[in-house]
Amino acid sequence: EAQVTQNPRYLITVTGKKLTVTCSQNMNHEYMSWYRQDPGLGLRQIYYSMNVEVTDKGDVPEGYKVSRKEKRNFPLILESPSPNQTSLYFCASSPLGGANYGYTFGSGTRLTVV
Amino acid sequence: GESVGLHLPTLSVQEGDNSIINCAYSNSASDYFIWYKQESGKGPQFIIDIRSNMDKRQGQRVTVLLNKTVKHLSLQIAATQPGDSAVYFCAENRGSGNQFYFGTGTSLTVIP
Repeated sequence: EAQVTQNPRYLITVTGKKLTVTCSQNMNHEYMSWYRQDPGLGLRQIYYSMNVEVTDKGDVPEGYKVSRKEKRNFPLILESPSPNQTSLYFCASSPLGGANYGYTFGSGTRLTVV
Repeated sequence: GESVGLHLPTLSVQEGDNSIINCAYSNSASDYFIWYKQESGKGPQFIIDIRSNMDKRQGQRVTVLLNKTVKHLSLQIAATQPGDSAVYFCAENRGSGNQFYFGTGTSLTVIP
């Protein structure tokens, strides 16, 4: 089944403790992206990647890092999480090709930072 | 900037009625639009898309209408069913490759 897999689904952590949320897709998509979803603010892009070793900032990149060492994986790293990073996070992927395709989203990771 | 207000609009409809969900977009250069459905506890799912050279596109029980003059998009769901209860939001591609910008969404509740 074609899908984007995120792990973990739920995570509670303490301020300052580094964490990684994994994202993997099995569709050979070049483009991958991370979003956070907050009440009233919709989906906001954190980082995206057009291909292996190519990453770029989205609208809200502060406090996050990403890497794209392999085509299928795009982990989101929070080096020193803070409570304002409590949110619902989604990974998405699509083929390249401009405005021709929508995203396939993962099921989400609900992160709570205390 | 954000096209949709900060408060999540809500829509309640009776099962079997038609639903209309609206979305305003901000950028006249946007040339590709998608409607997504997000059920509780799940990621957004693609419903239907439309390009800026069209003003209407139909799918199974869903129709998207695009009015470029007023930068407005609507999603019509025919014979709404309880399984249609979800948050619906539109996404616009502003002609810059794979980047999409999302509205805040509308919460649809179907009353049995």
